[in-house]
Amino acid sequence: NAGVTQTPKFQVLKTGQSMTLQCAQDMNHNSMYWYRQDPGMGLRLIYYSASEGTTDKGEVPNGYNVSRLNKREFSLRLESAAPSQTSVYFCASSVAPGQGYTGELFFGEGSRLTVL
Amino acid sequence: GQQLNQSPQSMFIQEGEDVSMNCTSSSIFNTWLWYKQDPGEGPVLLIALYKAGELTSNGRLTAQFGITRKDSFLNISASIPSDVGIYFCAGQLVKAAGNKLTFGGGTRVLVKP
Repeated sequence: NAGVTQTPKFQVLKTGQSMTLQCAQDMNHNSMYWYRQDPGMGLRLIYYSASEGTTDKGEVPNGYNVSRLNKREFSLRLESAAPSQTSVYFCASSVAPGQGYTGELFFGEGSRLTVL
Repeated sequence: GQQLNQSPQSMFIQEGEDVSMNCTSSSIFNTWLWYKQDPGEGPVLLIALYKAGELTSNGRLTAQFGITRKDSFLNISASIPSDVGIYFCAGQLVKAAGNKLTFGGGTRVLVKP
């Protein structure tokens, strides 16, 4: 059971470079999320997609863009990376409201990004 | 900014000890959740609470949804080495759009040397 798969697991970028983090889920979930994790800050929501075709900003969207490519895939793009974006990024998915949502998010293993 | 204050930020456990951690907020939540993150992995849901005053157990874990709906605690009884990790509280605000959760800063549980 793959669950939520993120690629790449590790990436080092130079300031100003761009990259895309890929995420795919095989649980037929409608909702998908991108979080970043920083020491002592917990998990902060960057963007989310409540359902295919919709995306909304979370708590810390500046410097990021997202694409909900289809029901399975939700990508996160850094157009011009900055050192402040050094973090561990997590993709997650869940059922949608009204479909038995319990608060349970299913997370990928994370992508560790370093911006020099 | 972050709305959940989680404490302690870190703690050391000795096998067999009971430990507790809590989360407080200035806002009212209608759902409280506790997740655990093992090293190198994503968080996994441990316990979910849906009613003020609710007390729920999952094995050696017990969590409570505070009466004021602004706090929650998690207890681990008879700790074992595999309890090491980061524990996050999370809540869903009453007026949160969609499924958005707010996470606490985490409690890092370590083993006493």
